[in-house]
Amino acid sequence: GQQVMQIPQYQHVQEGEDFTTYCNSSTTLSNIQWYKQRPGGHPVFLIQLVKSGEVKKQKRLTFQFGEAKKNSSLHITATQTTDVGTYFCAGPGYGGSQGNLIFGKGTKLSVKP
Amino acid sequence: GAVVSQHPSRVICKSGTSVKIECRSLDFQATTMFWYRQFPKQSLMLMATSNEGSKATYEQGVEKDKFLINHASLTLSTLTVTSAHPEDSSFYICSASRGRNEQFFGPGTRLTVL
Repeated sequence: GQQVMQIPQYQHVQEGEDFTTYCNSSTTLSNIQWYKQRPGGHPVFLIQLVKSGEVKKQKRLTFQFGEAKKNSSLHITATQTTDVGTYFCAGPGYGGSQGNLIFGKGTKLSVKP
Repeated sequence: GAVVSQHPSRVICKSGTSVKIECRSLDFQATTMFWYRQFPKQSLMLMATSNEGSKATYEQGVEKDKFLINHASLTLSTLTVTSAHPEDSSFYICSASRGRNEQFFGPGTRLTVL
């Protein structure tokens, strides 16, 4: 079945270092979404990428959608302690017309001050 | 805007009892609501997709008779865990969509079955 794989599972960085998480899909995606879940919290929508090769920035966060629309990455420049949390990518499920999503396993980011 | 509430936030129940979890979109009408469960340190597993006024679509491996979903209105969906057992203990999260692809998540319900 459809799978969305995400690496690494964990990343520990020193504050100020950069961080990148990678997402790969077994199938071509019409779009990919990224969510952040703080410890003890619920996922919060960050962004959606739709176009092949698309790059979007939100302050220190850079999101990229691969040319083949099967992979994506999230890069954080100069991490801060507020960046701590688990970052999930998600792609449309097989019944994508309903908007259901298949989530990757997430990358848990910890930032040491 | 786009706030989703969930009630209760925590529930502890005895094995064999049923538990109902409510999911409400507070400031928008949700065309579709979704129910997920999340085990500790794991990802979100979609359980079912719920559209107002119609039967929910369950993911493979999710027992529809055990996890009853009722989507009574465009702002309310409920998940009832029937005859709960300890293995049903988990974090249940709902989300709502208002037509665009992004989903807005509720705060989750932590269910503990003794």
